[in-house]
Amino acid sequence: EAQVTQNPRYLITVTGKKLTVTCSQNMNHEYMSWYRQDPGLGLRQIYYSMNVEVTDKGDVPEGYKVSRKEKRNFPLILESPSPNQTSLYFCASSLITGDPYEQYFGPGTRLTVT
Amino acid sequence: AQSVTQLDSHVSVSEGTPVLLRCNYSSSYSPSLFWYVQHPNKGLQLLLKYTSAATLVKGINGFEAEFKKSETSFHLTKPSAHMSDAAEYFCVVSDSSGGSYIPTFGRGTSLIVHP
Repeated sequence: EAQVTQNPRYLITVTGKKLTVTCSQNMNHEYMSWYRQDPGLGLRQIYYSMNVEVTDKGDVPEGYKVSRKEKRNFPLILESPSPNQTSLYFCASSLITGDPYEQYFGPGTRLTVT
Repeated sequence: AQSVTQLDSHVSVSEGTPVLLRCNYSSSYSPSLFWYVQHPNKGLQLLLKYTSAATLVKGINGFEAEFKKSETSFHLTKPSAHMSDAAEYFCVVSDSSGGSYIPTFGRGTSLIVHP
């Protein structure tokens, strides 16, 4: 089954404790991205990647890091989480040739930073 | 530059009545436009997309949208609402210029369906 998976689905942590949210897709998509969703703000892009070893900032990259060492994986790293990073996070992927921009989303990771 | 405005944060309808969710966009180039639906505690699912092939786009679950360039609109409609349509809906625009792959999401419209 074609899908985007994220882990963990729920995470409660404390300020300053480094964490990683994993994202994996099995569709051989070149493009992967991370979003955060906050009430009344829709989805805002954090980082995106056009392919292996190619990443770029989205609209709200501060406080986040990403890496793309393999095509299928795109982990999101919070080196020193803060309470303002409490949010619902989505990973997504898509092709960049043929039928671009149609993104497939993971189920989301709800992060709480206390 | 691109932007998208969803004109209503909440829309409330009765089951069996028509649905209209409004979306206006701004784009410097030929845009790709999408509607996604998010059911409670779920990820986003593509409803339909416009990529210049046809101005009237049909999607899943009976939804459709019409691209109107003169009005810079891409409103989502459905003739008859069902209880299962209650969800959050997002309009998304993405310029197809210069290989830009940063989509812009609207803030969402919450569709409430009353029995």
